[in-house]
Amino acid sequence: DQQVKQNSPSLSVQEGRISILNCDYTNSMFDYFLWYKKYPAEGPTFLISISSIKDKNEDGRFTVFLNKSAKHLSLHIVPSQPGDSAVYFCAAEGAQKLVFGQGTRLTINP
Amino acid sequence: SQTIHQWPATLVQPVGSPLSLECTVEGTSNPNLYWYRQAAGRGLQLLFYSVGIGQISSEVPQNLSASRPQDRQFILSSKKLLLSDSGFYLCAWSKGSPLHFGNGTRLTVT
Repeated sequence: DQQVKQNSPSLSVQEGRISILNCDYTNSMFDYFLWYKKYPAEGPTFLISISSIKDKNEDGRFTVFLNKSAKHLSLHIVPSQPGDSAVYFCAAEGAQKLVFGQGTRLTINP
Repeated sequence: SQTIHQWPATLVQPVGSPLSLECTVEGTSNPNLYWYRQAAGRGLQLLFYSVGIGQISSEVPQNLSASRPQDRQFILSSKKLLLSDSGFYLCAWSKGSPLHFGNGTRLTVT
């Protein structure tokens, strides 16, 4: 049972445009949500997070939106840069455990 | 500052051979420790987590085991590797959020 789902395995965006990565979850007990970025042959690095009491969190070019009623979160990157090309994982936290989605490979085209 | 060390970076092992991957954390005490696996084309799957010395919780029944002999040391083991054990293994630590990952071990079972 996949509790956290990223339904788009890949996304291609032109440099300078907005990248929108989506994530859905099923467990209403999750109360904290995170996005990680992963380059090949490296561990994921933490990017941005949001608590369930908020609906938006912004950090520079990165904004995470949370829609609790829809059990949906999204990551917006604007403007997209070539260095943003990586695999992005969303994760949901509950009971001291973090459940990850399958990841979305983002490619930024020049 | 806290750092996490994971080794080796790559490993090629024959089917039926034993496995031992080691992870150590520096700069913090009593962290929660985790082993994740990323199989080809799939997301991050939680294998084991530990909230203290000698305390191991297994998330997925399989050919692997974990041990925590010291506060900041986490070991992933197998007595006999299977082909299906191939993947990218990640150690991580946390004290609250977020989770911090090591650089991973690429295991190829031949």
